[in-house]
Amino acid sequence: DIQMTQSPSSLSASIGDRVSITCRASQSITNFLNWYQQKPGKAPNLLIYAASSLQSGVPSRFSGSGSGTDFTLTISSLQPEDFATYYCQQSYSTPRTFGPGTRVDTK
Amino acid sequence: QVQLQESGPGLVKPSETLSLTCTVSGGSVSSESYYWSWIRQPPGKGLEWIAFINHSGGTNYNLSLKSRLTMSLDTSKSQFSLKLTSVTSADTAVYYCARGTFSSGFFYLDYWGQGTLVTVSS
Repeated sequence: DIQMTQSPSSLSASIGDRVSITCRASQSITNFLNWYQQKPGKAPNLLIYAASSLQSGVPSRFSGSGSGTDFTLTISSLQPEDFATYYCQQSYSTPRTFGPGTRVDTK
Repeated sequence: QVQLQESGPGLVKPSETLSLTCTVSGGSVSSESYYWSWIRQPPGKGLEWIAFINHSGGTNYNLSLKSRLTMSLDTSKSQFSLKLTSVTSADTAVYYCARGTFSSGFFYLDYWGQGTLVTVSS
């Protein structure tokens, strides 16, 4: 199985901050990488697929980059509704493993 | 707008079988583009991909669960189902059904049910 790691595991930020979350795969997954946002008590919501493609309806302040084993999710200007947990997921092979998550909370 | 809704018992006894159904509305489970998926999340923990099934009933299971797992598809009811046998407390989780989309070779989960908590306890 491909193992996914994320850093940091949590971070504190303020409204308007630029926030970056890193995801690393245990082997190359080219650009088969998705990002999801999950709020407490809710299902995850797809933000980014294919490492950098923005899902329809997702604000443009979210962006993804990277290829191979290292990927980044960036929120250009943090908004109140962005406080949540973010998960990466590789879609290169089965099982489609998720990272452990990065919690973004208010500073 | 595609909607998914999980249903099934919220409490299952150890060693018994967990059975869940996901009903899809606003879309067809018979479409070749979609892979109907299950994901679970133990309380306070991260996400675990379980399995998916395609329009023709082809399945792909997480090998860690494969010996206990069966998925099925009922196109007449626009439903797909999960059965997990010999459950233990480690199977206690919120279970989500989701639509997996393949687009240009990329797979992602773009529509999710609200999730249902299944507790394994005597």
